[in-house]
Amino acid sequence: DTAVSQTPKYLVTQMGNDKSIKCEQNLGHDTMYWYKQDSKKFLKIMFSYNNKELIINETVPNRFSPKSPDKAHLNLHINSLELGDSAVYFCASSQDFDSYGYTFGSGTRLTVV
Amino acid sequence: GQNIDQPTEMTATEGAIVQINCTYQTSGFNGLFWYQQHAGEAPTFLSYNVLDGLEEKGRFSSFLSRSKGYSYLLLKELQMKDSASYLCAARGGYNKLIFGAGTRLAVHP
Repeated sequence: DTAVSQTPKYLVTQMGNDKSIKCEQNLGHDTMYWYKQDSKKFLKIMFSYNNKELIINETVPNRFSPKSPDKAHLNLHINSLELGDSAVYFCASSQDFDSYGYTFGSGTRLTVV
Repeated sequence: GQNIDQPTEMTATEGAIVQINCTYQTSGFNGLFWYQQHAGEAPTFLSYNVLDGLEEKGRFSSFLSRSKGYSYLLLKELQMKDSASYLCAARGGYNKLIFGAGTRLAVHP
């Protein structure tokens, strides 16, 4: 049983398209995150939700919109994709935002052409 | 500002010991993580230090000095499978992790 699962694993799409990445965790955690890892391997937080409420919103273009329909899911929708959006996107979860134990998903490699 | 610095690359020999250093400057510091990441995979947890001192876990140890904004990861009895990137990350408010760029470690026979 995968603890934090993301779909799709790979996504190749054209500039200007709109795409979504889905994330689900079966750990019963309250807090979920999206991180972006660029070509230089920097992992940077984008968003965090705790019990469906947004608690971290870093300086991310508003083309990126997270949605948390329930505390087990945190999806990422990206509008008008740009070349610079090409990266690996990691979803993660933790028991709550006081618990230091993170579990990362296996990542979604997004390539914008 | 927030800044995490670690060396870009290191090489070491199988069976040896290697120390990967990390310096950090972050507001609201709440602990220091080390993660291992193999190419194309997710980061996996290695260690977490919140108090000053050394934490030992098998072949891996991690040290923290909060007053100096400094940490290191020590890997002993290196194995080929230890070739990976090692990510230093400071824990901030709301459990946000601020990562360094990672240190790519190559272990040679």
